[in-house]
Amino acid sequence: AQSVTQLGSHVSVSEGALVLLRCNYSSSVPPYLFWYVQYPNQGLQLLLKYTTGATLVKGINGFEAEFKKSETSFHLTKPSAHMSDAAEYFCAVSLGGSQGNLIFGKGTKLSVKP
Amino acid sequence: ETGVTQTPRHLVMGMTNKKSLKCEQHLGHNAMYWYKQSAKKPLELMFVYNFKEQTENNSVPSRFSPECPNSSHLFLHLHTLQPEDSALYLCASSQGVTATDTQYFGPGTRLTVL
Repeated sequence: AQSVTQLGSHVSVSEGALVLLRCNYSSSVPPYLFWYVQYPNQGLQLLLKYTTGATLVKGINGFEAEFKKSETSFHLTKPSAHMSDAAEYFCAVSLGGSQGNLIFGKGTKLSVKP
Repeated sequence: ETGVTQTPRHLVMGMTNKKSLKCEQHLGHNAMYWYKQSAKKPLELMFVYNFKEQTENNSVPSRFSPECPNSSHLFLHLHTLQPEDSALYLCASSQGVTATDTQYFGPGTRLTVL
């Protein structure tokens, strides 16, 4: 069965600092991997996704994530945090192909200090 | 209206009430979803509809009854709910139901069951 683990329910960084949000998955087949962001009082918005091909995926708002099969990880990074990045971030996995159902992690709330 | 809209945004109901949540997508998509987002738990997929047909029921109690009259509208009828059903209910839509079909989320309905 698939599962997603996000290390750290709450991460706090200073403005301008590196953002690193961790995601590990378990899957019996090569997974499709996603990061979503949820701003207060809003629904989820897709940041980026990995399906096949290049393992470093660039998304919106300067975020990127790297698929590391050997580590079963898909960590999300951004070189320099901005106040507007404060939100909750969700990692998700699906089996891929025709199996589009998403399995989500519990989420990581990112705080950005001035 | 653009994207995915949900009404009402907030709902308080007693355990014996009957209410309905409404979702409308303005994206021309064929698939629609209901998710439950509870505090400190991962998003849980509840139902999936593709071309108005239910393709997934994730062992949801019968007190939740979905209805999809057309590809643009999705309802969740609520009856005899329990306090533990209090959560944020998110609707999403996508062009298809494969892993490469990005899901677009509405802002959610915050449900409180007294």
